[in-house]
Amino acid sequence: GDSVTQMEGPVTLSEEAFLTINCTYTATGYPSLFWYVQYPGEGLQLLLKATKADDKGSNKGFEATYRKETTSFHLEKGSVQVSDSAVYFCALSDGGGDYKLSFGAGTTVTVRA
Amino acid sequence: EAQVTQNPRYLITVTGKKLTVTCSQNMNHEYMSWYRQDPGLGLRQIYYSMNVEVTDKGDVPEGYKVSRKEKRNFPLILESPSPNQTSLYFCASSPFRTGVYEQYFGPGTRLTVT
Repeated sequence: GDSVTQMEGPVTLSEEAFLTINCTYTATGYPSLFWYVQYPGEGLQLLLKATKADDKGSNKGFEATYRKETTSFHLEKGSVQVSDSAVYFCALSDGGGDYKLSFGAGTTVTVRA
Repeated sequence: EAQVTQNPRYLITVTGKKLTVTCSQNMNHEYMSWYRQDPGLGLRQIYYSMNVEVTDKGDVPEGYKVSRKEKRNFPLILESPSPNQTSLYFCASSPFRTGVYEQYFGPGTRLTVT
């Protein structure tokens, strides 16, 4: 079945540092890939997405590129802010009969001023 | 404002006392789903619905029921809650028929069963 593996946290960074969260996946076919973000006390928000190989999703300074050859979708941001402190989830949907999202375990990121 | 709403946001109950968590969306989405979030496990799908009167089990359906009598509503029912159902629950909806598979999530319901 589908699965997503993302780097374990927690991750603690200083403001303006570079952030990378690794995500790899196993899926049949050609899944759509997503990064969701959960700010403290809130629900999940879609951060960015990519629907086919070599697509780059971007939003709020975050980027991730769909790499089919390495089955990866790593999240990056060049200069983090305190407001980026959140839990980040990598997810995929293969558009199969249940259309479900398969999630990674989540990575907690804390940015210090 | 396009949104998914859930009620209640917080609930503490006792083992065996039936409860319902409501979910409503105003985006005319056909697809709706329930997930539970547990530390270290990410989110796991409980039940989903492709349309009115069409529901099916997800990965962890034991101990839960759902119904879909109207397009906008998708309540989650725990007939006899147990402590292992203590979790954070999210409802989501998706315009999946457009070929867009992303899902839009509600704010979550934190359930504690003692």
